[in-house]
Parts: sequence; structure tokens; C-alpha cells
Amino acid sequence: DSGVTQTPKHLITATGQRVTLRCSPRSGDLSVYWYQQSLDQGLQFLIQYYNGEERAKGNILERFSAQQFPDLHSELNLSSLELGDSALYFCASTLGTSVGNEQFFGPGTRLTVL
Amino acid sequence: AQSVSQHNHHVILSEAASLELGCNYSYGGTVNLFWYVQYPGQHLQLLLKYFSGDPLVKGIKGFEAEFIKSKFSFNLRKPSVQWSDTAEYFCATISGGSYIPTFGRGTSLIVHP
Repeated sequence: DSGVTQTPKHLITATGQRVTLRCSPRSGDLSVYWYQQSLDQGLQFLIQYYNGEERAKGNILERFSAQQFPDLHSELNLSSLELGDSALYFCASTLGTSVGNEQFFGPGTRLTVL
Repeated sequence: AQSVSQHNHHVILSEAASLELGCNYSYGGTVNLFWYVQYPGQHLQLLLKYFSGDPLVKGIKGFEAEFIKSKFSFNLRKPSVQWSDTAEYFCATISGGSYIPTFGRGTSLIVHP
């Protein structure tokens, strides 16, 4: 158990819908990363937050947004869902912003868009 | 943009065989390199990392990796694999100039008892 929790574990929805994925970092960690893992794209970095502020942005679509709340949990919002958004979404947390910090990964949320 | 290549997508070995998984990265400046492992049904976890200093890095569970700057490589090795090493292995990098992690596509390792 990494100490990072993600809910829900599985999510099945239809095209055009909107979903929210939640991530709670390890106790004491201030930074949260979001990743998308799919068969054809591998593990893709989406976005990073540190202490409530956006820190780095990767290949995140405009239909996707995220935020980190004062209690440090983070949510990833996916809207106007398409079939291609079906994937495993991971979050990871680290203590700070140093690139040397180990990332602790959550178990992931498996999203299926029908 | 940075890229990380893992050339072996699937590797099948027998127990006690030696393992080497290839990883090449594209960035020419300062890089920070990582190997993560994902055991079946579990979350990704760090095996080892390299930032500077001794290019031979030792990690958990008997794994090691060697940073060869001239070859842009960071290959993962283990002298003798066990059935419990069956997992997906990911090489990753974060360049010195950004906070953006880049992962390879992963290598699936199956070890037969």
C-alpha cells in the first residue's frame, strides 16, 4: 500500500458524459501528479499540482481539467468523453517539487467509455 | 520533447536467468532517471533512481542499473531472476530543466518457475 488512494476504482460511462476522479495523496505529500495509461499511448503525464497550484502540464486535453484543494486532495475532471478516453488513470504524490523525489502511485481508476 | 524508449516489450525468462532491460532517453542535458515496477494487481513502485555520481545504481530486490551518458542509456539488470519478478517495468526520466516526467512504454517480464 503506497498510501495514495484513488476513487472510484472502476467507472463505466457513456460518450459525451463528464466524470470526476479523485486522488488523496500520502500524508504529508504536497505534490500530486496525474497520468493516463492506455495500451496505445503508454503512461502519459497529464498535470502536476503542488500545494494547490498548477506546477507542470503535460499532454492534457482541453476537455480535461484538474485542481488540488486546500486539504491537498486532487480531482481530475474529464468532460465530453470519447471512446478514446478509456484508460487507466493514475495519480502519484511526492513530498515536494524536487525532481529527485520518489513518486508514490495510487492503484488507479479504470475508466471505460461506451 | 523528451522521449524514452524501451525496446523490449515482452521478455520471458526462466528462473535464475540473467535479465537486462533496455532504456534509452532522448534528452541531452541533465537528466534524472528512474525505473519503476508494477507487480500484477499492484501500484507502480520505485525500483531505483539516478541523479548524479556513481553511474551504477543499486535498487531494491537485487536490481541495478547503469547510466551510460554517451549512449543515452539506463539499462536495468538483475543477475538471477525469480518467479516473483514477474511484472511490468517502466523506465522514466525527468529532465533537469522541467518537472515533466516521461515514461517509456513499459516491458512486460514473465519469469517461469
